[in-house]
Amino acid sequence: NAGVTQTPKFRILKIGQSMTLQCAQDMNHNYMYWYRQDPGMGLKLIYYSVGAGITDKGEVPNGYNVSRSTTEDFPLRLELAAPSQTSVYFCASKTTGFPEAFFGQGTRLTVV
Amino acid sequence: DQQVKQNSPSLSVQEGRISILNCDYTNSMFDYFLWYKKYPAEGPTFLISISSIKDKNEDGRFTVFLNKSAKHLSLHIVPSQPGDSAVYFCAASGSGGSNYKLTFGKGTLLTVNP
Repeated sequence: NAGVTQTPKFRILKIGQSMTLQCAQDMNHNYMYWYRQDPGMGLKLIYYSVGAGITDKGEVPNGYNVSRSTTEDFPLRLELAAPSQTSVYFCASKTTGFPEAFFGQGTRLTVV
Repeated sequence: DQQVKQNSPSLSVQEGRISILNCDYTNSMFDYFLWYKKYPAEGPTFLISISSIKDKNEDGRFTVFLNKSAKHLSLHIVPSQPGDSAVYFCAASGSGGSNYKLTFGKGTLLTVNP
C-alpha cells in the first residue's frame, strides 16, 4: 500500500518555465489537497478537491492550476514559474468521516 | 490573519521528561484539531486528533488537551524520547464537504536531549 505518492522529489525550474507536479493516492480517498511550505512557515493550502471533477481554490492559488479527472490523481500545474514559487509542495488525501489527512513525501521545487 | 498559532518556535527537553507543545486558535467554527509530526525531508505524519466536543484524547505516550473556552490546545508527550525530536504542527479543520480543510500553525521544533 503506497499511500500518497508525489513525483518528482526535486526539481529546478527556470523563471517562466512550466511544470506539473504529480500526486497519486491508492486509498480511494475522495478528498485531496495541495499545500506548500515555505521556510519557518506552516503549510498553506493551494487547491483542494472533494471528489473527481470538483476542485476549489485554497489560501494561495495564484500561479497554479489543478485538475481531478480520477479519484486517484490530483496534478498541480505551475505556469510561468516565478522565484516566489520556490517551496516544498505536499499533496495529501483523506476520506469522509475522519479528520486526518495523509501526506506524500513532498516535492522540493527551486525556481531560478 | 493566522487562525492557528503556535507561539513557541522551539522547545528543548530532557529524555524521559514531559514535552508540552501549545497551540491557540481564533476560529470558533473549527470541529477538529490535529497534531502532525514532521521529520526533515519527509511529509507530515498524523499523530493524534481531538473533536471539539471532547477535552482530552490519549494515544500511548501522546495526549491532547482541548480548552474550548480559551481556544487553546496542547500536546503532552510522556515520557519524551530522542526519536520524538521533530517539528510538530498543530492543525484545525471544520467538517463536511469543503470545510474539511486543514489550517496549520507554523510549527514547533522539539528537541529531546539524551
